[in-house]
Amino acid sequence: GAGVSQSPSNKVTEKGKDVELRCDPISGHTALYWYRQRLGQGLEFLIYFQGNSAPDKSGLPSDRFSAERTGESVSTLTIQRTQQEDSAVYLCASSGGQGNSIQYFGAGTRLSVL
Amino acid sequence: AQSVAQPEDQVNVAEGNPLTVKCTYSVSGNPYLFWYVQYPNRGLQFLLKYITGDNLVKGSYGFEAEFNKSQTSFHLKKPSALVSDSALYFCAVRDRGFQKLVFGTGTRLLVSP
Repeated sequence: GAGVSQSPSNKVTEKGKDVELRCDPISGHTALYWYRQRLGQGLEFLIYFQGNSAPDKSGLPSDRFSAERTGESVSTLTIQRTQQEDSAVYLCASSGGQGNSIQYFGAGTRLSVL
Repeated sequence: AQSVAQPEDQVNVAEGNPLTVKCTYSVSGNPYLFWYVQYPNRGLQFLLKYITGDNLVKGSYGFEAEFNKSQTSFHLKKPSALVSDSALYFCAVRDRGFQKLVFGTGTRLLVSP
């Protein structure tokens, strides 16, 4: 597609429920990233996928967070047993994967945990 | 460890005046440096990057940034601000050995008419 697409744009859930956030990267981009942006703060790295290599999960804050990517296409970020501190905007980015590539961001999913 | 500091939470400037948004960084090696802009309820838009070469980098919408290795800074500048430049600006760094971007906390730019 023309840009990185994320869905849903907004998600309201109850504490303890599981949520799935979706990211469609730019076609042909081999690298995909998830970041979290808490209110008034910068972006925190969560996870990085590059082609068929093992993902870099070093930024996932707890084992309640997981992500999958099928090949070089769609990625899903799953948060299990959501907590109020999970409330944030979750941003996805994709890039061509080269060393100096620009990361292009989607509009994000705003998650609110009540 | 990589880190980025944006010392100003907000910068106020009158339309037509020059603007500077400050950024300093810390990495173990030679950095890749980026500026992004975020408008309300939208994702981040790429403005410019420094990879190597000329220390003065020109980007979108008339913005430029100067890489200063000795001061480990990468300040964003524009000669003449527009009201439409009002937004949240993020500086980010990438160590060449890693893929993730490390972001500053952002600086809100407010340009008054």
